[in-house]
Amino acid sequence: DIQMTQSPSSLSASVGDSVTITCRASHNIITYLHWYQKKPGKAPELLIYGASSLERGVPSRFGGSGSGTDFTLTISSLQPEDFATYYCQQSYNVPFTFGPGTKVDFK
Amino acid sequence: QVQLVQSGAEVKKPGASVKVSCKASGYTFTGYFIHWVRQAPGQGLEWIGWINPNSGGTNSAQRFQGRVTMTRDTSINTAYMELSSLTSDDTAVYYCARAQAAQQQEDYWGQGTRVTVSS
Repeated sequence: DIQMTQSPSSLSASVGDSVTITCRASHNIITYLHWYQKKPGKAPELLIYGASSLERGVPSRFGGSGSGTDFTLTISSLQPEDFATYYCQQSYNVPFTFGPGTKVDFK
Repeated sequence: QVQLVQSGAEVKKPGASVKVSCKASGYTFTGYFIHWVRQAPGQGLEWIGWINPNSGGTNSAQRFQGRVTMTRDTSINTAYMELSSLTSDDTAVYYCARAQAAQQQEDYWGQGTRVTVSS
């Protein structure tokens, strides 16, 4: 199985901050990498697919980059509704494993 | 609009099975894979498997193989995920999600079904 790691596991930030989350795959996954936002009691929401493509309806302050094994999710100006847990996922090989998540909370 | 509506919460005893349904609407059901993902309390997301509603073909994470059965009924645009030999470790919220063909990203999700396994 392809193992996914994320860093940091949690971070504290303020509204307006720029934050960066890193995701690393144990094997080359080209750009089969997606980012999801998860809030308690709600289903995950797709933010970025194919490492860097913004899902329709997702604000442009979300951005993704990377290829191969190293990827980043950047939120350029954190808004109150962005406080959540973020997961990366690879879909290069079954099982389509998720990273352990990065929790973004209020400083 | 695309919607995935899942069946209601379940409480099961250890050793039992649970079957969760996922009814799709607003798109061509046979045109997109359905993935199943779960989240145990306080834990992260865990991918279970997928079903191709067109062919009925399935694939799942090895740790669930032999215990998970994914089926579909194209006449009512509904996918099912049955998990057998339940233990307390299977207590989780189970989600279905529609997946795009090219990269299998999960773009629409059901509301989740809480499954509690308790004696």
